[in-house]
Amino acid sequence: GAGVSQSPSNKVTEKGKDVELRCDPISGHTALYWYRQSLGQGLEFLIYFQGNSAPDKSGLPSDRFSAERTGGSVSTLTIQRTQQEDSAVYLCASSLKASNEQFFGPGTRLTVL
Amino acid sequence: GDSVTQMEGPVTLSEEAFLTINCTYTATGYPSLFWYVQYPGEGLQLLLKATKADDKGSNKGFEATYRKETTSFHLEKGSVQVSDSAVYFCALTELNAGGTSYGKLTFGQGTILTVHP
Repeated sequence: GAGVSQSPSNKVTEKGKDVELRCDPISGHTALYWYRQSLGQGLEFLIYFQGNSAPDKSGLPSDRFSAERTGGSVSTLTIQRTQQEDSAVYLCASSLKASNEQFFGPGTRLTVL
Repeated sequence: GDSVTQMEGPVTLSEEAFLTINCTYTATGYPSLFWYVQYPGEGLQLLLKATKADDKGSNKGFEATYRKETTSFHLEKGSVQVSDSAVYFCALTELNAGGTSYGKLTFGQGTILTVHP
């Protein structure tokens, strides 16, 4: 079956612009995670969804970052007023339920000029 | 909070050499431990895991044993191949205050492994 997909695969934007990153999890997976992979910080957790609710948002770096999930499926990560330090690869993962094996998408590479 | 410290890379080996990548962790409870691998141009994949002390995870010739007394989860392979060239991440799943888990992963910094023919 299909794995986790993310779009776009690459995004280049100008500082100050807003961006939206999309994640399509594996069908039937109730848990969804966003992570960020950057040279300076390694792999960092951003937010966890169980269904449409987010019990853990502790990794979101600032209030410019937000995420939502609808229909227990697709999730969107939004970064407002992007800064150069937001440049990173944003990874999405899903699992059948929390604490099961997580399956990762290919990531969205975000470059803020 | 919980953390993972991983052997600095890069690691360069010849084919058929023995591999060890060290990983130690700090955690308040008894987390589950993982090794993930990222092959060039591909996404992160789970390589192996262990969920309690003395468990040994194994896959594709790789092994790691959950050592509670030394808070370690070192990755080993007896004979590496060129196709093992990748970035390896040690990770743990944190536990909530009630001992349950959201499955949130905390990763080490990653170790780049290059295997030459």
